[in-house]
Amino acid sequence: SQQGEEDPQALSIQEGENATMNCSYKTSINNLQWYRQNSGRGLVHLILIRSNEREKHSGRLRVTLDTSKKSSSLLITASRAADTASYFCATDGGYGQNFVFGPGTRLSVLP
Amino acid sequence: KAGVTQTPRYLIKTRGQQVTLSCSPISGHRSVSWYQQTPGQGLQFLFEYFSETQRNKGNFPGRFSGRQFSNSRSEMNVSTLELGDSALYLCASSLFTGGSYEQYFGPGTRLTVT
Repeated sequence: SQQGEEDPQALSIQEGENATMNCSYKTSINNLQWYRQNSGRGLVHLILIRSNEREKHSGRLRVTLDTSKKSSSLLITASRAADTASYFCATDGGYGQNFVFGPGTRLSVLP
Repeated sequence: KAGVTQTPRYLIKTRGQQVTLSCSPISGHRSVSWYQQTPGQGLQFLFEYFSETQRNKGNFPGRFSGRQFSNSRSEMNVSTLELGDSALYLCASSLFTGGSYEQYFGPGTRLTVT
């Protein structure tokens, strides 16, 4: 079974609104990373949060990590139509372990 | 720095044939991972190479293989293609920094098996 599970599977919002996506995982991690994928293209690395960090910001992105609940959330503030994409979380168990991706959240930002 | 490049970008093959996909990592990155992405199964890890050695392998049949060259470029090969192998194949190169790996993905190779 997959390590990361995003929630919701799909999200539709209006431009200017905030979008929140959640990710849950099962085992201990070294870090958790969020990626964006525009339709049928490669993944773009958004942000990495280490297991000893609780919150991280990058521009309009805010990521939180709760290792006690084995969950993370990605908040995109003031969304734009260009934010329309699929968002994936990936857990990194550490050296020698492969990344495990969740099924992704498909975000649609309507103009 | 140039990003991760993958060739070819699109490929159409027939069942039973074999295919080789190529990936050139970002300069200085020694780790290369391969993923298969399908609508039904999502992103699934195939294998990872580091310094020409396979360091990790996902749960795929032996028809899927790979290798890495001394310049860190990597190839993956799929033999005896099946319809279910139709997918987007993504390559990612990684840099170990600050105690973590950050992966940088190429644009992918879209393989269609008919």
